[in-house]
Amino acid sequence: DSGVTQTPKHLITATGQRVTLRCSPRSGDLSVYWYQQSLDQGLQFLIQYYNGEERAKGNILERFSAQQFPDLHSELNLSSLELGDSALYFCASSVRGVGANVLTFGAGSRLTVL
Amino acid sequence: AQSVAQPEDQVNVAEGNPLTVKCTYSVSGNPYLFWYVQYPNRGLQFLLKYITGDNLVKGSYGFEAEFNKSQTSFHLKKPSALVSDSALYFCAVRDDSGGSYIPTFGRGTSLIVHP
Repeated sequence: DSGVTQTPKHLITATGQRVTLRCSPRSGDLSVYWYQQSLDQGLQFLIQYYNGEERAKGNILERFSAQQFPDLHSELNLSSLELGDSALYFCASSVRGVGANVLTFGAGSRLTVL
Repeated sequence: AQSVAQPEDQVNVAEGNPLTVKCTYSVSGNPYLFWYVQYPNRGLQFLLKYITGDNLVKGSYGFEAEFNKSQTSFHLKKPSALVSDSALYFCAVRDDSGGSYIPTFGRGTSLIVHP
């Protein structure tokens, strides 16, 4: 167990729907990162939060949004889902948001859009 | 801009033989370099990192990596492969010159160790 908890582990939904993925970072970590892993795109950075504030944005679609709450857990909201959104979504955390921080990854949430 | 390349999608090696998983990078400043491993149905796990100092970095599970500045490479190595080393390996780089603090990951290399 890495200490990073992601729910749900698996999610199957239909096109056009909206889902929320949840992440609880490792105890003591202030920074949360969201990544999307797919066979054709590899591991793509979506967005980072540090202590409740957005710190960096990557290849995140406008249909996707995220936030980090005061208790440091984070949620990734995916709306108007398309078939191509089917992927494994990882949350990772680190103590700080800068430097040579090692990321601790959760086990991922596998999203299937039918 | 920072980028990383893993030129091999798959590496096959016999158990007991040495293994190498290749990684090359491109940064504007100095690199922070990382290797992570992903086992089936699991998240990525940290193996080792290079920030500065000795070019040979030792990490978890007997893995090591050699930083070569002139060749901009950071190849992962292990003297004697185990079947249990079979997994997906990711190299990542972060440029220390500022800008993005987010590591960029390679596409991953599937290591298959045959009994």
